[in-house]
Amino acid sequence: QKEVEQNSGPLSVPEGAIASLNCTYSDRGSQSFFWYRQYSGKSPELIMSIYSNGDKEDGRFTAQLNKASQYVSLLIRDSQPSDSATYLCAPLPGRGSTLGRLYFGRGTQLTVWP
Amino acid sequence: EPEVTQTPSHQVTQMGQEVILRCVPISNHLYFYWYRQILGQKVEFLVSFYNNEISEKSEIFDDQFSVERPDGSNFTLKIRSTKLEDSAMYFCASSRDRGEQYFGPGTRLTVT
Repeated sequence: QKEVEQNSGPLSVPEGAIASLNCTYSDRGSQSFFWYRQYSGKSPELIMSIYSNGDKEDGRFTAQLNKASQYVSLLIRDSQPSDSATYLCAPLPGRGSTLGRLYFGRGTQLTVWP
Repeated sequence: EPEVTQTPSHQVTQMGQEVILRCVPISNHLYFYWYRQILGQKVEFLVSFYNNEISEKSEIFDDQFSVERPDGSNFTLKIRSTKLEDSAMYFCASSRDRGEQYFGPGTRLTVT
């Protein structure tokens, strides 16, 4: 069973702060990693993908990947109230899965207060 | 910007009835998926579909479930005889390759 663990939250930060979301995964063969944002009652929305070790920045979002530690994180800079949502980590297994089965973590609920 | 669409947004059915959930994936995508999310729980994979056949299915996807791509645009999930525990949000997703998956808005299925 491929496991994905995320910091349980809820995480509460003031507007303008940096929110840090963490994820560890069990499948060493995972090569691709995705962060989704899910507002309450809505579907997951892809916000970041990362494939190589290191950092990837996109606007206020930075994803960090360390395959040796089986760890991926998402930093949100200058957090806004509109960032309040549940953030889902989803590695894509590298072996034993033919086409694209994503394993989701339980998610970290983020609240940004004004 | 192209997006995945799903119909209906909400379906209420009685236990034992058949339901068909419909999805229109993004037009140039080749890989299609169904996921579900029971209220308060994780998003769970059901099935993936490529080249007109199932490529992988989870343990949830038993004989009561089937998928079909009846034409060049639609992708459907059929539940033959619904149970109370099938009540969930069902999400369709598509991807161009074995990578980024884009989700539709979901169908909320309520089985009474």
